[in-house]
Order: sequence, then structure tokens, then C-alpha cells
Amino acid sequence: QKEVEQNSGPLSVPEGAIASLNCTYSDRGSQSFFWYRQYSGKSPELIMFIYSNGDKEDGRFTAQLNKASQYVSLLIRDSQPSDSATYLCAVANTGNQFYFGTGTSLTVIP
Amino acid sequence: KAGVTQTPRYLIKTRGQQVTLSCSPISGHRSVSWYQQTPGQGLQFLFEYFSETQRNKGNFPGRFSGRQFSNSRSEMNVSTLELGDSALYLCASSFRPYWSEYNEQFFGPGTRLTVL
Repeated sequence: QKEVEQNSGPLSVPEGAIASLNCTYSDRGSQSFFWYRQYSGKSPELIMFIYSNGDKEDGRFTAQLNKASQYVSLLIRDSQPSDSATYLCAVANTGNQFYFGTGTSLTVIP
Repeated sequence: KAGVTQTPRYLIKTRGQQVTLSCSPISGHRSVSWYQQTPGQGLQFLFEYFSETQRNKGNFPGRFSGRQFSNSRSEMNVSTLELGDSALYLCASSFRPYWSEYNEQFFGPGTRLTVL
């Protein structure tokens, strides 16, 4: 079983819609959760982090964490073509070792 | 504030050779982590350094090694290169120490290594 699992996609949404990206993790003791965006040929860019159960909003992005279900998600409201990228979920365990999912490819259709 | 820098950006080597990659973290950041990214395996953790000491190590063979200098710059070395070592090697820096519960990492542009 992989430490972090994501649907690889591709996920396609129309411009202006809400994109929903999901991630599950296996280490119940994980402490920190991150979402990175990676454009083709570029390095990952940190867009959200969340440490406590519940929702965290930053502009058009909302991260949701449910530690009991070992589930973290990212919602992108009013999706734009510039949001088209691969989104990586990362989880840091109690030893502060990071595990990344393989990423979900998102395409926003104009 | 300048971001994480990595040199060189591209490298072509042949099997059996060795290679050294360099990473300069964001000013003030003392933690540097290295990752290997391939299309099939995604991002895989290699190791993390803090204050010149390796604090965490991923599941890679001993051919992969690293070190960190007193100015927090880090190098990664791969000896006896294999075809499967072809990948994008990324380093990430963090301000908070490795023991901190809160530890956002920021990535450099990566070094693309091709092994022929």
C-alpha cells in the first residue's frame, strides 16, 4: 500500500466550475498536509498547507482535512485555464519525512 | 528574496560515471531535502539535511549520498550511474527545523539528469 494515494486523472472541468482533488494517506500519525501544483516541465509549487481538521481557505483554494478518515482534499473554485496542471498531495509523518502522491492531472476547458 | 537554486540544470552522463548536484536553499533556511522525480514513480524522498547532519533518509541504495555545508548549501552525489537514475532531481528547502510540526518546503527548479 502506498503512503499517499491520489487519482491520477485526468480530471477535466469547464472554466468557472469547481475542481475537486482528493488524496488519502496510510500513516495515521501524519501531522502535516500539503498541496503542490506542478506545471509541465516545472518544479512543484506550494499552494496550500493544512495541519488541523477542517477547512482552510486561501483565495480560490480550499483545503479540507479529515484525520479520522485519513483524507485530504483540495477544492479550486472558479477554475481558470491557468489552473491546468498536475496537483501533488504531500504528507509529512511524525518523523517529518515527506511522502508524495503521484499527482492528479487537471485540465480546465475554456 | 531569492528562491532555491540548483546547478546544473541539465546533465548528460554515461553508465558507470558519477555525478554531483548542488542546491542552495532560500536565505535563512537550514533544512534541505532531496527528491527524485520520474514519470513512473513520481516524487520520491532521498534524504534531508539540517545543520550539516542527515536527519532522514529514503529507501535508495548507498550509491546516493549527500552532504550539507555550514552555509546550508547541499550537494548530492550519485556514483556508478545506472540507466534507471535518469530523472529530475529536486531539492527543497525549509525554514523550520526537521523536528517542527510545521514545515513548508519550497522546491528549486531541479536538475534533469540523463544517463546514457
